[in-house]
Amino acid sequence: SQTIHQWPATLVQPVGSPLSLECTVEGTSNPNLYWYRQAAGRGLQLLFYSVGIGQISSEVPQNLSASRPQDRQFILSSKKLLLSDSGFYLCAWSVGGGGNQPQHFGDGTRLSIL
Amino acid sequence: TQLLEQSPQFLSIQEGENLTVYCNSSSVFSSLQWYRQEPGEGPVLLVTVVTGGEVKKLKRLTFQFGDARKDSSLHITAAQPGDTGLYLCAGLNAGGTSYGKLTFGQGTILTVHP
Repeated sequence: SQTIHQWPATLVQPVGSPLSLECTVEGTSNPNLYWYRQAAGRGLQLLFYSVGIGQISSEVPQNLSASRPQDRQFILSSKKLLLSDSGFYLCAWSVGGGGNQPQHFGDGTRLSIL
Repeated sequence: TQLLEQSPQFLSIQEGENLTVYCNSSSVFSSLQWYRQEPGEGPVLLVTVVTGGEVKKLKRLTFQFGDARKDSSLHITAAQPGDTGLYLCAGLNAGGTSYGKLTFGQGTILTVHP
């Protein structure tokens, strides 16, 4: 069966420090991968999505970047964190190729910027 | 930009009551997905509705997709404390280049009191 792992679960970082959040998927090949940010008790805002290795699309201009160095690895990064980067970050995957496929989410990373 | 308006944002009811959550858009979606999320975890898929007018039942939960595929509703009968959580609707963008991108509603925080 397919699984998605996201870490760390919680992270506290000072303003101006770098960031690297990692997400890996097991049990499937060539998935679509997604990074979301969620405000407390609210909907999800899509940040990045990827349909293949090295293929990244950004949905909103921001202080973050994403990379997909391997088929089932998706990384969210920042060179210098801002206070406004605080939030709950979720990684998700879906079956590649489009269609009415559901997305499967990791358990998220709670990022606090001090 | 496709938008999904989800209402109500908050719902606090007593055990045994019925409730309905609505998602509305001016855009057509190829499918509509409903997720439930617990605090500190990622959303978990409840159901996907694909055909206009489709109704799906999951125990005490009834999901309906509007005839024009622009709106959807979730009805819970005889709510129980275990139904407490954040409910999210998400529309899958129609079109061949969408790569499975979801547009999320703002979420409904449901609290069922014993």
